[in-house]
Amino acid sequence: AQKITQTQPGMFVQEKEAVTLDCTYDTSDQSYGLFWYKQPSSGEMIFLIYQGSYDEQNATEGRYSLNFQKARKSANLVISASQLGDSAMYFCAMRGLNAGKSTFGDGTTLTVKP
Amino acid sequence: GAGVSQSPSNKVTEKGKDVELRCDPISGHTALYWYRQRLGQGLEFLIYFQGNSAPDKSGLPSDRFSAERTGESVSTLTIQRTQQEDSAVYLCASSLVVSQPDTQYFGPGTRLTVL
Repeated sequence: AQKITQTQPGMFVQEKEAVTLDCTYDTSDQSYGLFWYKQPSSGEMIFLIYQGSYDEQNATEGRYSLNFQKARKSANLVISASQLGDSAMYFCAMRGLNAGKSTFGDGTTLTVKP
Repeated sequence: GAGVSQSPSNKVTEKGKDVELRCDPISGHTALYWYRQRLGQGLEFLIYFQGNSAPDKSGLPSDRFSAERTGESVSTLTIQRTQQEDSAVYLCASSLVVSQPDTQYFGPGTRLTVL
């Protein structure tokens, strides 16, 4: 069984500052992928970043980076230089290798203050 | 190209009625997924299809829920004898293949309200 835990129901950050959204996971799979999605108030799910369990380097996509600590089973999302448009719900998710089922956390609501 | 589309965008129904939700995946995507998202919560996996393989139905909450997919095209999620607890947004996603890295592209969802 897989489990994703996001312990921060809500987070606030000042515009232009960096913020870290926490995600820990539990799985018995040897190979897996970790994902972060953004869900604005419009409801669409937007893929942000992916980290494979065997990737040695942390993934980066523009202002998004994933702080992957395999031994601690954590996959925190770091957003640099926050923008007002970053205000949204953020979900951490995982899937096993070649598995269709994804497990999602309960999400973190990020509010960027001007 | 076109993204994942879902219809209807909103559905209001009475308890006990059957509903059908439709998903059109991105052309060429072999994998298709259904999720349920209750208000303020994360996504619950329902079912996934991969090409002609048997679907993974492990997330369907009861036998009132079923889904079909014809080949690599449209999928329909059917909920029979709807209950108020079925009220949620139902999200469909598709991906090119089921392998890593694999990005799921989500549709806009169908908001189901059971009165």
